Amino acid sequence: QVQLQESGPGLVKPSETLSLTCTVSGGSISGFYWSWIWQPPGKGLEWIGYIYYNGNTNYNPSLKSRVTMSVDTSNSQFSLRLTSVTPADTAVYYCVRLSGSGQGYFDYWGQGILVAVSS
Amino acid sequence: DLVMTQSPDSLAVSLGERATIYCKSSQSLLFSSNNKNYLAWYQQKPGQPPKLLIYWASTRESGVPDRFTGSGSGTDFTLTISSLQAEDVAVYYCQHYFTAPYTFGQGTKLEIK
Repeated sequence: QVQLQESGPGLVKPSETLSLTCTVSGGSISGFYWSWIWQPPGKGLEWIGYIYYNGNTNYNPSLKSRVTMSVDTSNSQFSLRLTSVTPADTAVYYCVRLSGSGQGYFDYWGQGILVAVSS
Repeated sequence: DLVMTQSPDSLAVSLGERATIYCKSSQSLLFSSNNKNYLAWYQQKPGQPPKLLIYWASTRESGVPDRFTGSGSGTDFTLTISSLQAEDVAVYYCQHYFTAPYTFGQGTKLEIK
């Protein structure tokens, strides 16, 4: 059973960079697409972007200028960096796997990590 | 971006009764070359991540009870719970994956009447 676990700071100051890591276990990171999705408190879901195991990326245009994703296949991890954060970036961040067939629905989700942006 | 609109925003249904949630996309999600609709449904219970229920508009994910049925094509889709159980209380989201950026509906909160 594939498991994903987010890690990173729960509090980030405005204008700083948010950095999160997702560790994949119970399955291979290779051959799959991996995504980040965020959910502001009490609100809906927004796709941030995905990274393929080979490093190819596709970001949501709404965040593209501030987002960088990377992958470390040797440690079965992928990461998210979001620069110049504001309180509007306060959200639960989920790391997820795109379906095994490579299509853009999400079949495995991490539990999520709440990141607050506040001074 | 392709916009997904769900209705209603909230819904209260009696136990054992049918619950129906609608999802409309701003563009067709039907890809003509494979005749598939690029639409998924998720269930999110409080304090939990979303769970995949349905993909390709009508294919049930492994382990999902058969009381959950997805239907529709093109721009109009439906998630039906045939006989509501207490454990079905959740927020339900539709999501397109026709092309990036992938977007979700705003969610429908399902409660017990």
